[in-house]
Amino acid sequence: GNSVTQMEGPVTLSEEAFLTINCTYTATGYPSLFWYVQYPGEGLQLLLKATKADDKGSNKGFEATYRKETTSFHLEKGSVQVSDSAVYFCALSDQGGGSYIPTFGRGTSLIVHP
Amino acid sequence: NAGVTQTPKFQVLKTGQSMTLQCAQDMNHEYMSWYRQDPGMGLRLIHYSVGAGITDQGEVPNGYNVSRSTTEDFPLRLLSAAPSQTSVYFCASSDGDGFSNQPQHFGDGTRLSIL
Repeated sequence: GNSVTQMEGPVTLSEEAFLTINCTYTATGYPSLFWYVQYPGEGLQLLLKATKADDKGSNKGFEATYRKETTSFHLEKGSVQVSDSAVYFCALSDQGGGSYIPTFGRGTSLIVHP
Repeated sequence: NAGVTQTPKFQVLKTGQSMTLQCAQDMNHEYMSWYRQDPGMGLRLIHYSVGAGITDQGEVPNGYNVSRSTTEDFPLRLLSAAPSQTSVYFCASSDGDGFSNQPQHFGDGTRLSIL
């Protein structure tokens, strides 16, 4: 079956530091990959997506590249802000495998200090 | 521009009680879904719908029912609440965009406690 593995959190950074949150996946077909962000007390928001190998998704200074050879979709940002403190979820959608059930990782908490 | 609206935001039930969690969206999205979020876990799909009159089971459907009589509304019913159903419930919608029911918009959640 499909699965998504994210690095354990919390990730604690100082403002303006470089961020990487690792995400690897297994899938039976050719998945599309997604990152979501969840701020405290809110629902998830779709942050970025990539639909095929070597695609780069980007939004709000965040980016992630679909690496088929390493089955990875790591989230990066060059300079984090306190307002980026949230929980980040990696997810995949693998319709080619016949499943309409998206698969989410467990989430990685990011804490950014001033 | 309301997006996805869930009610109630908080609810406490006793074991064995039933209730309905409401979800409405105003974006004319065909795809709607219900997830539960438990500590240290990702979201798990309960039920989903690809359009009015069509529903299907997700990953963890037991103990829950859904219906989709209109495009806008997708209520989730707990038939006989159990402590294991204590969770945060999210409703989500999508316009499809080639990704079927991969959710694009989430409500703010319903925090449900079963005593």
